[in-house]
Amino acid sequence: AQSVTQPDIHITVSEGASLELRCNYSYGATPYLFWYVQSPGQGLQLLLKYFSGDTLVQGIKGFEAEFKRSQSSFNLRKPSVHWSDAAEYFCAVGGMTTDSWGKLQFGAGTQVVVTP
Amino acid sequence: SQTIHQWPATLVQPVGSPLSLECTVEGTSNPNLYWYRQAAGRGLQLLFYSVGIGQISSEVPQNLSASRPQDRQFILSSKKLLLSDSGFYLCAYRQGPWNGYTFGSGTRLTVV
Repeated sequence: AQSVTQPDIHITVSEGASLELRCNYSYGATPYLFWYVQSPGQGLQLLLKYFSGDTLVQGIKGFEAEFKRSQSSFNLRKPSVHWSDAAEYFCAVGGMTTDSWGKLQFGAGTQVVVTP
Repeated sequence: SQTIHQWPATLVQPVGSPLSLECTVEGTSNPNLYWYRQAAGRGLQLLFYSVGIGQISSEVPQNLSASRPQDRQFILSSKKLLLSDSGFYLCAYRQGPWNGYTFGSGTRLTVV
């Protein structure tokens, strides 16, 4: 069965500092990986996705993520955070097997607080 | 362009009352459709998904049901709400396995 772990429930970062959010997955085949962001009271917005190819993926809002198969990780990074990056971030994994087609498994989320 | 609409945005319902949340998608055909629930401080729980009209798969046993009467319409229902049904409900669609989900803006349901 597929699963996603986001070890950090809550992260506080200063504006202008770098940010890294961790995501570890468990999946028996080639995973499709996603990062989403959710502002309070809103739906989720897709930041970036990985299917194959270059393991460093660029997304919107200056975010990037690196797929490391050996570590089963897909960590999200941003070199310099802005106050508007304060939100909750979700990692998700999906695949192409019969059981998983079309379904994404989400992590529990990481709440990011940005301080002045 | 593709869009997804979800309503109402907020809803306060008494215990034992019925529920109907609607989700519609525009600009695409034969999408996969999903209902998720997000309880306070918790992640997203997949409730139902549908790969076509009239085709509904339930992920967890619960007090809720879903229907897909039209290709781009997905409805979440309950005959009698429980306090535990409170939460933030999100509808999403997916157009092909190469794409992630596109989410609606959600419905905040409070059962009192």
